[in-house]
Amino acid sequence: DAKTTQPPSMDCAEGRAANLPCNHSTISGNEYVYWYRQIHSQGPQYIIHGLKNNETNEMASLIITEDRKSSTLILPHATLRDTAVYYCIVRGWLHDMRFGAGTRLTVKP
Amino acid sequence: GAVVSQHPSWVICKSGTSVKIECRSLDFQATTMFWYRQFPKQSLMLMATSNEGSKATYEQGVEKDKFLINHASLTLSTLTVTSAHPEDSSFYICSARPRTEAFFGQGTRLTVV
Repeated sequence: DAKTTQPPSMDCAEGRAANLPCNHSTISGNEYVYWYRQIHSQGPQYIIHGLKNNETNEMASLIITEDRKSSTLILPHATLRDTAVYYCIVRGWLHDMRFGAGTRLTVKP
Repeated sequence: GAVVSQHPSWVICKSGTSVKIECRSLDFQATTMFWYRQFPKQSLMLMATSNEGSKATYEQGVEKDKFLINHASLTLSTLTVTSAHPEDSSFYICSARPRTEAFFGQGTRLTVV
C-alpha cells in the first residue's frame, strides 16, 4: 500500500473550516484513500473514503486531486469536539488498514 | 456505521497472569478481524489478523505464543495476553469491516502491575 505524508499538527478556529492535507504520491490505480480520526483514549472513528471522485457525507468532504497524488479532508464547521488525531490511509481493496503518525488537529475557541 | 464492541474497556492485572479481551461485531458478520496495539503518544500498530475458523496471521515481531487469538465465530474474536508483564501495558484495539471501510472497537486499556 502507498505511504502517506501528513503534517504532524494543525490548529483551527472553532466554527471555521478545517482543511487537512495528505500526500500519497505513490498511490496506485486500485488504492482507496481513507480518513479516520482518533479522539483521545478511544478507538479510531471512520470518517470517509474515496477512490478518485470527491466525496461528501454528514461528517466531512474528501477532495482528491485529479492525479490522485494528494487529498484534503474538509471539516466544514469545526467544533471543539473535532479535536483529534486524523489519519489518512491509502490501501488496496481488502488490504490491512495500517496507520501512520497522522495529524493532530486542535480546534481552538 | 457498523458497530464493533470490545470488552473490557480497561483491565488491571498482576504480572504473570493472563488477560482475555473480546471483540464483537454487533450488526454484521466478520470473517476477518484485526488487532492493534497503541503505546502512549504513538500510532496504532497492527498486531495480527484474526480469521474465523483458522489460525491468526501475526505481524513480524509479534509473539504468537504470547498473544493468543481465537476467532471462533463470525461475530467474536478474542485476544489473550498470556503471562502479562508491565511492558505489555498498552491500549489494545480491534477492528472489523462489513465492507471496505473498517470499524473499530472502543479499545481496551491494559495495565499490568
